Formats: sequence, structure tokens, C-alpha cells
Amino acid sequence: TQLLEQSPQFLSIQEGENLTVYCNSSSVFSSLQWYRQEPGEGPVLLVTVVTGGEVKKLKRLTFQFGDARKDSSLHITAAQPGDTGLYLCAGRKNTGNQFYFGTGTSLTVIP
Amino acid sequence: NAGVTQTPKFRVLKTGQSMTLLCAQDMNHEYMYWYRQDPGMGLRLIHYSVGEGTTAKGEVPDGYNVSRLKKQNFLLGLESAAPSQTSVYFCASREYRAGELFFGEGSRLTVL
Repeated sequence: TQLLEQSPQFLSIQEGENLTVYCNSSSVFSSLQWYRQEPGEGPVLLVTVVTGGEVKKLKRLTFQFGDARKDSSLHITAAQPGDTGLYLCAGRKNTGNQFYFGTGTSLTVIP
Repeated sequence: NAGVTQTPKFRVLKTGQSMTLLCAQDMNHEYMYWYRQDPGMGLRLIHYSVGEGTTAKGEVPDGYNVSRLKKQNFLLGLESAAPSQTSVYFCASREYRAGELFFGEGSRLTVL
């Protein structure tokens, strides 16, 4: 059983639409990261959130850390084909050395 | 600017064969990690190292061994490959105080 569950697993939308990806757990994390992975490559960090309730924006992407630090969401406004990829959340417990990755959300944005 | 380099990128094994995946990083990072990626399961941690000469088990360590004889290299070994070990393997590294993981491009392993 994965420590972090993401939903939806697959998402296919038209260019210009908005979407939200969820990352949920029953465990508390000291920080939560979001990565994007493109085919044939390794994941690349998008953002790190560390405070419960924190909201960070990266252009059209908005990331939120839940108040209880057990969940997170990624919202994309006006999706573009360049947003296509696999989105992964990763949680770190108590500044430990392990990073627990979510199950992943595969996003396809159709032109 | 190599970053994290994994070799080989592709390998096909028969059940019972052994092999070693090599990860090399040129960023002088203390921490190194080996993950496997399977459809619908994200990345799962196999083993990791917090410095030269140290290793620790992750979430799914069975069937794998690792060694960190040099700071820049982290080796992942399969002593007797099984079809369940068919996967894409990713190596990552990070600085001691930083949280960002830097990944290699992956190694696709197929066990027949």
C-alpha cells in the first residue's frame, strides 16, 4: 500500500481547461514536494511546501499544503500542451532521509 | 553538466542472472537513492545512502543489494533476477541540507 495516494490516476483534457490533482495520506509530513516527469526522463522538482495551509504559485500552477500536513493539491489554470506529463507528489517525514512518492497522475493536454 | 548519470540505460536479463546498475553524480551530494518505477505505483524507494560507506533499506529492499564505496557512485545489484524486478530504475541524489532530489534518466530492466 502506497503511503501517498494521488487522484486521478489519468487525466486527459483540452487546452485551456482547468484541472486539479490531489495527493492524500493518513500520515503527517514535514514537507511535501511536487515533481513533473516527461517520457524517458527523471522527475524534476516543481515546488516544495513546508507549512500547513501554505499556498505557492508557479505561473499557472498553484500548489497547496493541507492544514494538517497530510494532503496537497496541484491546480493548473488554462492548461497547455506543454503541461503534459506525469505529476508526482513526494512527502518527507520529520526531516528524515526518505522521500515517499505518490502513485502519480498522468496528464495529457490535447491541443 | 552531467548531473546524475545511470548506466546502462537498457538491459534484458534471464531469470536467475545477476547484474549491477551504476549511478554516478558529479554534484558532490551526500545523499543518494535508488527507486523503482512501476505503472500506477509512482516511485518506490529500494535503498539509500547518507554518505560514503553507508547504506540503508527503503520500502522495497528485498532482492537488491547496494554499495557506496565512493561518494560519487551508488551501485544497485540484483543477485538473482526475477520477472517481478522488471521495472524502470531511477537514481537520485541530494545535498545534505537541501530537500531537492536530482534524478538520472532511468534504467529500463526487463527480466524474462
